[in-house]
Amino acid sequence: SQTIHQWPATLVQPVGSPLSLECTVEGTSNPNLYWYRQAAGRGLQLLFYSVGIGQISSEVPQNLSASRPQDRQFILSSKKLLLSDSGFYLCAWSVEWGETQYFGPGTRLLVL
Amino acid sequence: GNSVTQMEGPVTLSEEAFLTINCTYTATGYPSLFWYVQYPGEGLQLLLKATKADDKGSNKGFEATYRKETTSFHLEKGSVQVSDSAVYFCALIPSKTSYDKVIFGPGTSLSVIP
Repeated sequence: SQTIHQWPATLVQPVGSPLSLECTVEGTSNPNLYWYRQAAGRGLQLLFYSVGIGQISSEVPQNLSASRPQDRQFILSSKKLLLSDSGFYLCAWSVEWGETQYFGPGTRLLVL
Repeated sequence: GNSVTQMEGPVTLSEEAFLTINCTYTATGYPSLFWYVQYPGEGLQLLLKATKADDKGSNKGFEATYRKETTSFHLEKGSVQVSDSAVYFCALIPSKTSYDKVIFGPGTSLSVIP
């Protein structure tokens, strides 16, 4: 069966510091991968998606970037965090475009 | 364009009460419809889905029927438990061939009290 991992689970970082969040998927090959942010409240905002190694599409211009160095690894990064980057970051995967998305446990980021 | 509308709540129910969370959508083509649940501090879990009109998705006592005529996918449960307290998201995928993104509703917070 497929599983999706995210780490760290919680992160507290000062403004201006770098960020690296990692997401890995097990039990499937060549998944579509997604990064979402859930700000205070409940809404989900799609940040990035990837349909293959090295391919990244950005949905919203901002202080973040994503990379996919391996088939089942998706990384969210920032060179300098802003207060507004605080939130709950969710990684998700799907077999292909238009199929059900399955979510990881999330990373809670607090920027102080 | 594509959109999902759902009651935002919060909804507070007593244990064993009947639950309905309304969800309506607008979409071109033939979307797939989903309900996700998010327990406090956790990621989203797929609760149920339906991929064509008149399909009924069901899981853990929850049900939702894909109604194309009313463009609705209301979530129901006959008898809620305290453990059902969570945020529920209605979502749609517009079409596999259109490469449109998943559209999520704003979420409905449910609190079930003993």
